[in-house]
Amino acid sequence: GAVVSQHPSRVICKSGTSVKIECRSLDFQATTMFWYRQFPKQSLMLMATSNEGSKATYEQGVEKDKFLINHASLTLSTLTVTSAHPEDSSFYICSARDVLAGTHEQYFGPGTRLTVT
Amino acid sequence: AQSVAQPEDQVNVAEGNPLTVKCTYSVSGNPYLFWYVQYPNRGLQFLLKYITGDNLVKGSYGFEAEFNKSQTSFHLKKPSALVSDSALYFCAVRVFSSNTGKLIFGQGTTLQVKP
Repeated sequence: GAVVSQHPSRVICKSGTSVKIECRSLDFQATTMFWYRQFPKQSLMLMATSNEGSKATYEQGVEKDKFLINHASLTLSTLTVTSAHPEDSSFYICSARDVLAGTHEQYFGPGTRLTVT
Repeated sequence: AQSVAQPEDQVNVAEGNPLTVKCTYSVSGNPYLFWYVQYPNRGLQFLLKYITGDNLVKGSYGFEAEFNKSQTSFHLKKPSALVSDSALYFCAVRVFSSNTGKLIFGQGTTLQVKP
């Protein structure tokens, strides 16, 4: 149980284009999902907290117009990197909490490697 | 402000020997503490957590962690390391000012287990 998937696992796009990354909770409902960014051999940086049916909460320094987050259902959140640039190349990881289970841990997706050329 | 520190960038241990990955925290109130492991190009896998109760917490793959309130530490341990334990380990603490369960992660510690 408590499986989170991400799609795609890898994506290469050209500078200036937009890329959408999907995060799904496969066997539980996730009212809250989190989006992280990770640079090589570094820790996870929380970008935003995604709440089902409402606007995402962005961390300080994260451009909300560049990183669009939509959490339209209890099992799906999407992150769209708009007008991507090479500096947006990174490993993006989502996580979700199984709120109904009453546990406190987050379950993480396998990550998406974005390369902007 | 709440924070987590992992003082070692890398820990090297021989297979079969005990291992310890260190974590210290700073929180207001009672801490909710977690350990996660990450293999190359993968997401994080949950290992164990401390919420309340016994200070020694047992988790997945034979790992355990000891909560020490006086030293504000939550070190990850395993009695006998395996080569397959080689990975990146993260300690995390829950942010209580947020009702969404937001986590703050330490810098990560690379564990290298040599045969």
